[in-house]
Amino acid sequence: DAKTTQPNSMESNEEEPVHLPCNHSTISGTDYIHWYRQLPSQGPEYVIHGLTSNVNNRMASLAIAEDRKSSTLILHRATLRDAAVYYCILRGLKGTNAGKSTFGDGTTLTVKP
Amino acid sequence: GAVVSQHPSRVICKSGTSVKIECRSLDFQATTMFWYRQFPKQSLMLMATSNEGSKATYEQGVEKDKFLINHASLTLSTLTVTSAHPEDSSFYICSAEGLGQSTDTQYFGPGTRLTVL
Repeated sequence: DAKTTQPNSMESNEEEPVHLPCNHSTISGTDYIHWYRQLPSQGPEYVIHGLTSNVNNRMASLAIAEDRKSSTLILHRATLRDAAVYYCILRGLKGTNAGKSTFGDGTTLTVKP
Repeated sequence: GAVVSQHPSRVICKSGTSVKIECRSLDFQATTMFWYRQFPKQSLMLMATSNEGSKATYEQGVEKDKFLINHASLTLSTLTVTSAHPEDSSFYICSAEGLGQSTDTQYFGPGTRLTVL
């Protein structure tokens, strides 16, 4: 499975932007980059996903490096409700791992008031 | 849109009993559902992938006779933990993807907390 590497933890101040990095140097051409976040004792929540181009939605932005070996999730103005574990995941469309999501350890984001 | 529910949200059972967990896609038809397990302070671990009308595909190390998965309809998958033991205590989470939704996106249920005494 293609692996992702994220920092274990990050801190941010409320209402400031947050950039959460993810390295995925072994990404294949058909792997989509997905981001989810999980609050304690809840299921993961979809945040955003992309393939090659940068993506924006109401929750966040996803910046994908030109070589696709890394990506950054951007929360434009962090709120206390954004405190969660953020997972960067690669989902393949082909082969034996098609459709599977392999979760790494994620980044625990702490937002300080 | 894209809501996935799980029932029950929490279950406590005695060692040796079987427990069934339901996963439903409420507003879309799920061609594929996934089952995960998460221990405290750890990440999600994929247990199996189920496609409607066919047998589930289990990940290496997951006992298929212990964790029975049935995906009988496009909106329902069930996970039965047979002869549960304390080491099976965990947070079980399902996810679904399928018709009418982005085929690239999984939608997760809220999870089921299983405690085996």
